[in-house]
Amino acid sequence: DGGITQSPKYLFRKEGQNVTLSCEQNLNHDAMYWYRQDPGQGLRLIYYSQIVNDFQKGDIAEGYSVSREKKESFPLTVTSAQKNPTAFYLCASSAIDGGPYNEQFFGPGTRLTVL
Amino acid sequence: AQTVTQSQPEMSVQEAETVTLSCTYDTSESDYYLFWYKQPPSRQMILVIRQEAYKQQNATENRFSVNFQKAAKSFSLKISDSQLGDAAMYFCAYSNNNDMRFGAGTRLTVKP
Repeated sequence: DGGITQSPKYLFRKEGQNVTLSCEQNLNHDAMYWYRQDPGQGLRLIYYSQIVNDFQKGDIAEGYSVSREKKESFPLTVTSAQKNPTAFYLCASSAIDGGPYNEQFFGPGTRLTVL
Repeated sequence: AQTVTQSQPEMSVQEAETVTLSCTYDTSESDYYLFWYKQPPSRQMILVIRQEAYKQQNATENRFSVNFQKAAKSFSLKISDSQLGDAAMYFCAYSNNNDMRFGAGTRLTVKP
């Protein structure tokens, strides 16, 4: 089945530690995205990538880092510099060959809790 | 910057009735897409319906339809014959050049 997988589903981190969230897609999509979702708020864009080895900051990139070494993978690292990392993180992907208006497909999300 | 506003944090509807969720957006672009996504308790985001800005005809997907008013920058979602499985958070989204912006969401409750 084609889709997007995120792991782990739940993640706990101690203050001061970096943690990496995994996102893999087998939809052959060029573009991948990371969003943060807080209670009562919509999705806010952290980083996105439209091609391997290239990525762009979104609205709330501070305290986060990403890499795009493979088309299928777009891991997100939450660093100790992120002041309030407890949140629900969603990864998405989309095709871009049909123009700029393609639907984004979402993974199941990772709930990160800082202890 | 484009913004998307959903003015109804919560809505409720009786099973089998119709409900309309509101969404307005701000943009200076003439060509873009609008989406409604559903997020059930599982938190999996699911596309409900989408509308191309250059199409005047309102999109329809089974029980879901939109009222797209381009001049007013309004994009409401109508759910007919509401079912218990429709209970979820609904997010309106605007997309231009793969830059997708989401509203804060509307929580829909369906009463049996």
